[in-house]
Amino acid sequence: DAGVTQSPTHLIKTRGQQVTLRCSPKSGHDTVSWYQQALGQGPQFIFQYYEEEERQRGNFPDRFSGHQFPNYSSELNVNALLLGDSALYLCASSGVDSPYEQYFGPGTRLTVT
Amino acid sequence: GEDVEQSLFLSVREGDSSVINCTYTDSSSTYLYWYKQEPGAGLQLLTYIFSNMDMKQDQRLTVLLNKKDKHLSLRIADTQTGDSAIYFCAEPYSGGSQGNLIFGKGTKLSVKP
Repeated sequence: DAGVTQSPTHLIKTRGQQVTLRCSPKSGHDTVSWYQQALGQGPQFIFQYYEEEERQRGNFPDRFSGHQFPNYSSELNVNALLLGDSALYLCASSGVDSPYEQYFGPGTRLTVT
Repeated sequence: GEDVEQSLFLSVREGDSSVINCTYTDSSSTYLYWYKQEPGAGLQLLTYIFSNMDMKQDQRLTVLLNKKDKHLSLRIADTQTGDSAIYFCAEPYSGGSQGNLIFGKGTKLSVKP
């Protein structure tokens, strides 16, 4: 049973560029959440997708957008990258059978130079 | 506002018990969580406790919940060097959909042989 997978593992971008990160949820899960974890901090909630719609959003600017596909996989897009966007981006999934159990992927390490 | 507080560091000797403490703010939280993060990795769901429980035990892990003081603790019995990691306490967003979590900054547990 595959867990949550994310790609790429690492990414280096330049200020002002755009980036797309990808996530495949754990088998049987239909809900995907994205978190940003800055160095030395706990993860911060960006948004959650369910039934291909953004269901809830944290305190992040509109530069952060996402998408969920019919197979439940998801993308996180960040436009106009800032140095402060450098972080570990974590994807988490949950399912209707265990909505209170959220499982995380290994993350994508984004470095903005 | 919503905030989760944890002490940042804990050092113990192998074989001792570790106790990691956390305070949370939302008295309506349904579940409270403990996650573990090893270096360079994503978050692993260790355990969670429903708010109508005072204690939950799972092998070497014991979770204690004091709702009056909004205090959560994680005890690891017979701590091993493999337990060295960062431990995060988390609670759901107030009024948020299931699974969207607020994390503390994490407690770094160091286990000395």
